[in-house]
Amino acid sequence: AQKVTQAQTEISVVEKEDVTLDCVYETRDTTYYLFWYKQPPSGELVFLIRRNSFDEQNEISGRYSWNFQKSTSSFNFTITASQVVDSAVYFCALSSQGGSEKLVFGKGTKLTVNP
Amino acid sequence: NAGVTQTPKFRILKIGQSMTLQCTQDMNHNYMYWYRQDPGMGLKLIYYSVGAGITDKGEVPNGYNVSRSTTEDFPLRLELAAPSQTSVYFCASSKQLETKYFGPGTRLLVL
Repeated sequence: AQKVTQAQTEISVVEKEDVTLDCVYETRDTTYYLFWYKQPPSGELVFLIRRNSFDEQNEISGRYSWNFQKSTSSFNFTITASQVVDSAVYFCALSSQGGSEKLVFGKGTKLTVNP
Repeated sequence: NAGVTQTPKFRILKIGQSMTLQCTQDMNHNYMYWYRQDPGMGLKLIYYSVGAGITDKGEVPNGYNVSRSTTEDFPLRLELAAPSQTSVYFCASSKQLETKYFGPGTRLLVL
């Protein structure tokens, strides 16, 4: 069975601080995909990144960066110099290649960035 | 492209009533999904479809039904609404092996 654990339920930081959101996953599949989605207070789900299990290169996109480590089954997300607009719930998700390709979600981490 | 659209945005139902949540995508995606989001619980898969005419149950299918007669549409049917079905419902779609994009959600309150 697949499982995604986001141990941090809520995080509160002050603007300009760096913050890392943790994600640990479980799967028996050799080929899988990992995702991060952002859910701002308005409620929609915004896609941030998708990572293939064969690609362990870290990725940086502006103030966002992702650290994928298969050895520890982790896919952590770091926001550098956080801003108030980063306040949202962030979900980590996992899907297998083939079959339904359904997404299995973690419970989410609520990030609050205070001015 | 409009992407994934969902109607209605918000609905209040009385216990025992039925309704259909509509989901339409204009990206020619084969894969479509229905998730529900309960507070603090992440999203759970209700039903999914890998193509027109093909549907299957997800993690929490009880109390729901779906159909997929066209590639574009994937309606979710609630036959006898119960308070436990109060939730936010998200529809998603994708092509095979590609990113899943979500609709804006339908907020349902069953009283």
